[in-house]
Amino acid sequence: EPEVTQTPSHQVTQMGQEVILRCVPISNHLYFYWYRQILGQKVEFLVSFYNNEISEKSEIFDDQFSVERPDGSNFTLKIRSTKLEDSAMYFCASSVSGLGYEQYFGPGTRLTVT
Amino acid sequence: RKEVEQDPGPFNVPEGATVAFNCTYSNSASQSFFWYRQDCRKEPKLLMSVYSSGNEDGRFTAQLNRASQYISLLIRDSKLSDSATYLCVVNPLGNQGGKLIFGQGTELSVKP
Repeated sequence: EPEVTQTPSHQVTQMGQEVILRCVPISNHLYFYWYRQILGQKVEFLVSFYNNEISEKSEIFDDQFSVERPDGSNFTLKIRSTKLEDSAMYFCASSVSGLGYEQYFGPGTRLTVT
Repeated sequence: RKEVEQDPGPFNVPEGATVAFNCTYSNSASQSFFWYRQDCRKEPKLLMSVYSSGNEDGRFTAQLNRASQYISLLIRDSKLSDSATYLCVVNPLGNQGGKLIFGQGTELSVKP
């Protein structure tokens, strides 16, 4: 069964450093997403991406965040200058289409900012 | 009012019990609804979509009441492996980007 994959599984970084989280969505999916979950809190939407453009972003997704699909398979989330409060689990998801279609989540990257 | 609100839990039930999860959502125009399960520190896994007519998948039954903006999930004959956090998830109408809004989750613990 096709799966979303993410690397690395755990990233430790110092405050102010840049990090890039990587995802490989399911191959025939067209919509891609990033979510985050701070420990003990609910899953929160960050951004959706379709046709090489951001479709929607939340207030969390400020200028420090960016997304890119650098090739036909990878989808990345970059945080330019990490803060302590960026520590969270980051999940990538993909879906065949947008509204109404099920989204499938990758195993996540645990980001720890020290 | 929270966008998606669930029973706070946790629910502790014996094996074989029937357990029901409730959820309400605030956006009356929402069209797509899902139940996901999440094991500790893992990703949300899709359990089932929720349709207006209600739907069943083995021991799991999901219901939607649009008038009350209410979604439910029933688990019959619960197993130890059903222990997880159950997430009520809504995809708001008119959002072509497909943003999902998650509830806080209800933790279920099934005991022998």
